[in-house]
Amino acid sequence: AQKITQTQPGMFVQEKEAVTLDCTYDTSDQSYGLFWYKQPSSGEMIFLIYQGSYDEQNATEGRYSLNFQKARKSANLVISASQLGDSAMYFCAMRVKGPGAGSYQLTFGKGTKLSVIP
Amino acid sequence: DVKVTQSSRYLVKRTGEKVFLECVQDMDHENMFWYRQDPGLGLRLIYFSYDVKMKEKGDIPEGYSVSREKKERFSLILESASTNQTSMYLCASSLYPPGGTQPQHFGDGTRLSIL
Repeated sequence: AQKITQTQPGMFVQEKEAVTLDCTYDTSDQSYGLFWYKQPSSGEMIFLIYQGSYDEQNATEGRYSLNFQKARKSANLVISASQLGDSAMYFCAMRVKGPGAGSYQLTFGKGTKLSVIP
Repeated sequence: DVKVTQSSRYLVKRTGEKVFLECVQDMDHENMFWYRQDPGLGLRLIYFSYDVKMKEKGDIPEGYSVSREKKERFSLILESASTNQTSMYLCASSLYPPGGTQPQHFGDGTRLSIL
């Protein structure tokens, strides 16, 4: 079964410190993709970063990087130099094949609530 | 920028009513999705569509139906609303992905309360 596990319901980090949000996944597919989304209290889901299973380098986008360890099936999000505006829910998601030819859908973890302390 | 617009941010309806949630995207995306989000459960896929008039069941389709008559619009229908359908509903769209690398872009969500 395709599954995403986020084991940290809540995390605290001091402003300007780095923080790692954990994500492990389970799939039997050789080709897959992993996404991280941020959801502030206002509710919108914001795409942060993507890692493909065949990508040899860890993905980076500004202060976000993805620590991809394929053998361990983990795709942890690292946020450097935390800011107060980083306080939000963070969701890890995995692309899985849909029933239609070439169709894809995402399966999401339950999320981690990050709180940045001044 | 991709814009996914959901018709209402907040909606209150009564048990037994037929409820329509509308979603429109302006980027000519082939794929559209409806999720519900509940505390502690993350996002769960209700239905999705990868072409006009096409629809596929997600993980929790019971009690819902969808309609996609035009490429830019994807409607979620609660045929007879019940209190256990009180939730946050999120619509998303994405390009038809040859390699599945395209992210889904989300609307702001609709907080639906069924009384």
